[in-house]
Amino acid sequence: KAGVTQTPRYLIKTRGQQVTLSCSPISGHRSVSWYQQTPGQGLQFLFEYFSETQRNKGNFPGRFSGRQFSNSRSEMNVSTLELGDSALYLCASSPQTLIEQYFGPGTRLTVT
Amino acid sequence: AQTVTQSQPEMSVQEAETVTLSCTYDTSESDYYLFWYKQPPSRQMILVIRQEAYKQQNATENRFSVNFQKAAKSFSLKISDSQLGDAAMYFCAYRSARYRDDKIIFGKGTRLHILP
Repeated sequence: KAGVTQTPRYLIKTRGQQVTLSCSPISGHRSVSWYQQTPGQGLQFLFEYFSETQRNKGNFPGRFSGRQFSNSRSEMNVSTLELGDSALYLCASSPQTLIEQYFGPGTRLTVT
Repeated sequence: AQTVTQSQPEMSVQEAETVTLSCTYDTSESDYYLFWYKQPPSRQMILVIRQEAYKQQNATENRFSVNFQKAAKSFSLKISDSQLGDAAMYFCAYRSARYRDDKIIFGKGTRLHILP
């Protein structure tokens, strides 16, 4: 089975712009979670989607949003980018029957 | 709110030796899961080992084992016969057993160096 894939792998944006990141979960996995990883804050939970519905949300401003499609692929969007949004964004998927999550390689976002 | 604390930002161990990474957590829940994840320099996060809170027996996966002390809320990872490929960032993580709560809370991580 193919693993979790994330596109693009690297992205450079300017302050004020918006960005969309994509995540394709492992086939058959219906839960997709997003995390932000920075050297200062570590790994922080953004949100989780299951069957196209947001089930959980972390403590991030409304500029961070996401969605999930009927094929379980997920996108996250960040509007009005700030320098502090520079981070590695990790996506993880999980089937309903398993506890652990499987992570993708991440998208490295740099905001200048 | 649940928290996970890893008090050792960095550790080093000689190849073939044993090393223990510490983790403590705080929760008011009685049923939960604990994990150790490994993030090598390539950045792909990999699950190393998991422990269910209701199980008293410590989990073991080949050279990796945990010491789970529920009352003390401690969950340490022991790596035996350390290998160069074990060099990575290790994250201790917590997940509630509540239905439909997939959120994982991570510690800040411990960077492990393997000395040849």
